[in-house]
Amino acid sequence: AQSVTQLDSQVPVFEEAPVELRCNYSSSVSVYLFWYVQYPNQGLQLLLKYLSGSTLVKGINGFEAEFNKSQTSFHLRKPSVHISDTAEYFCAVSARTGANNLFFGTGTRLTVIP
Amino acid sequence: GAGVSQTPSNKVTEKGKYVELRCDPISGHTALYWYRQSLGQGPEFLIYFQGTGAADDSGLPNDRFFAVRPEGSVSTLKIQRTERGDSAVYLCASSLRGTGGTDTQYFGPGTRLTVL
Repeated sequence: AQSVTQLDSQVPVFEEAPVELRCNYSSSVSVYLFWYVQYPNQGLQLLLKYLSGSTLVKGINGFEAEFNKSQTSFHLRKPSVHISDTAEYFCAVSARTGANNLFFGTGTRLTVIP
Repeated sequence: GAGVSQTPSNKVTEKGKYVELRCDPISGHTALYWYRQSLGQGPEFLIYFQGTGAADDSGLPNDRFFAVRPEGSVSTLKIQRTERGDSAVYLCASSLRGTGGTDTQYFGPGTRLTVL
């Protein structure tokens, strides 16, 4: 079974400041890792995903995440946030074999302050 | 192109009633997923279809929940004898092949179900 922990339920940050949203996972099998974003009144949108290869993954809107196998983490970062980045961010995993479903964390609400 | 659509966007019902939630996946996507998102939680997997068949229904909470996809496109999630605890946003996603994490899941806007 897989589980995902997002310790920070809310992260306020000033505009143009850097941000890191933390994600740790637990799994008995090898997994793929994802970050999804949910803007107000919109569906979940894929930001980025780690499948294999380089542990630093670049996504849309200037976000990037780094896979750390020893720490079972996949933290999301952005060097300079904009007001438009205000949203809910979800970390998720899926098993590399077998079931295709995603296991999500509880989400982190990023609020960018002008 | 058109994304995943879900109808209705909001559904209010009374305890004990039957409800149906509809999902229209992206055209050509063979895989379809249902998730449930309760307040303050992340989405929770319910069921996954590959074509017309339910390949994994391990997330359905009990036998009051049932889903179909008779022609391999539109899917309907059916909830019998609704309970207040069923109140949540029900999300649908589709992907091209359904072959693990290499295949991106695209989500619809969800149906917000409220059971009074």
